[in-house]
Amino acid sequence: DIVLTQSPLYLPVTPGEPASISCRSSQSLLHIDGYNYLDWYLQKPGQPPQLLIHLASNRASGVPDRFSGSGSGTDFTLRISRVETEDVGVYYCMQPLQTPLFTFGPGTTVDIK
Amino acid sequence: EVQLVESGGGLVQPGRSLRLSCAGSGFNFDYYALTWFRQAPGKGLEWVGTIRSKAYGSRTEYAASVKDRFSISRDDFKSIVYLQMNSLKTEDTAMYFCARVGIQLWFVMYSYDYWGQGTLVTVSP
Repeated sequence: DIVLTQSPLYLPVTPGEPASISCRSSQSLLHIDGYNYLDWYLQKPGQPPQLLIHLASNRASGVPDRFSGSGSGTDFTLRISRVETEDVGVYYCMQPLQTPLFTFGPGTTVDIK
Repeated sequence: EVQLVESGGGLVQPGRSLRLSCAGSGFNFDYYALTWFRQAPGKGLEWVGTIRSKAYGSRTEYAASVKDRFSISRDDFKSIVYLQMNSLKTEDTAMYFCARVGIQLWFVMYSYDYWGQGTLVTVSP
């Protein structure tokens, strides 16, 4: 199975400042079709996860443009250009390449300093 | 508005069965694959199983931890997907979410664009 690791696991942030989360995969998520199959989700407290990014860098519908995803192969990054208080929660990367054996990273908790 | 609403959770003893439901609305239900995920208290997300759309044969796949105990089915007329859980164990205690597969291709499914609020299953003597 593909194993995803995230760092840091806890990220205290200051509103208005940037933040970034790393996700590393045990196997390349780059398919022969040229796409990197990695999604990012945010789970706010008491809520289900919500999709932020798919195919490593494509923002989902309605997601603010302060969120961006990058990376290829085994190394990926989620960036928040200017953190807002509503961005607190747990961020997960997830690989769908090994469909249907979907696996998630352990999660990164983002909290306000 | 797209909605997924889970129901059927509760307290159950080890070894017993429970059936969860996920009712969809606001979209062409029969077109989409649906997946069940779970989240144990204070833990991360775990894939449980997926049922593809009828166009892909309504094929089901399960995580190793639940295979042979859990089964997923769908009723496209009622827009409901079911998770039948048998021989429940204490380690099955979790919030169970259903989610819609946004993009379903023959070799990959990704972009879980809508999730239900979840239903809590507690397995305890």
